[in-house]
Amino acid sequence: DQQVKQNSPSLSVQEGRISILNCDYTNSMFDYFLWYKKYPAEGPTFLISISSIKDKNEDGRFTVFLNKSAKHLSLHIVPSQPGDSAVYFCAVTLSGSARQLTFGSGTQLTVLP
Amino acid sequence: NAGVTQTPKFQVLKTGQSMTLQCAQDMNHEYMSWYRQDPGMGLRLIHYSVGAGITDQGEVPNGYNVSRSTTEDFPLRLLSAAPSQTSVYFCASSTGPNSLPSQYFGPGTRLTVL
Repeated sequence: DQQVKQNSPSLSVQEGRISILNCDYTNSMFDYFLWYKKYPAEGPTFLISISSIKDKNEDGRFTVFLNKSAKHLSLHIVPSQPGDSAVYFCAVTLSGSARQLTFGSGTQLTVLP
Repeated sequence: NAGVTQTPKFQVLKTGQSMTLQCAQDMNHEYMSWYRQDPGMGLRLIHYSVGAGITDQGEVPNGYNVSRSTTEDFPLRLLSAAPSQTSVYFCASSTGPNSLPSQYFGPGTRLTVL
């Protein structure tokens, strides 16, 4: 049973527009949420995170929103750039879990010039 | 500062062969982990270590062994390779429990088992 779901395998967006990537989780005990970006033939790189005590965290063009009642996480990229084209994974972790991450299946974002 | 390094980048094995995937980090991180990524799936945790001499199982540990004799190195051993172990393997490291849980990943090892 998947604890973290990214229901959209792919997303295409025009350059300059907003990209919204979504993630749902099942366990309300998860207390830290992260987004990773992955280019082909490379390892994932950390992008942005949010703790369960917040509902929004912003870093430049990237904003993560957390809706705890809906168990829903989203990543907004504004404005989208062609270099943002990559696979985006959401990941969650649980207090006391020795920092072990549970990942979603990923969403391939393509930003069209 | 090389971060997390993994060797080899590519490997082809025959069923039943054994091998060790190497992982090293130079950031003095306490935590190290091994994940595998299969098509259409997220990364799944194989084994992890919270410090030298301490290891534990993750979500998919069967067929793999690990040890952690130093802070820097965390090798993953395939005991008797099977086609189901064809995957991309990522090693990751992170600092201790009082810091943010973002992990640093190596570039991956692409393993094919025939």
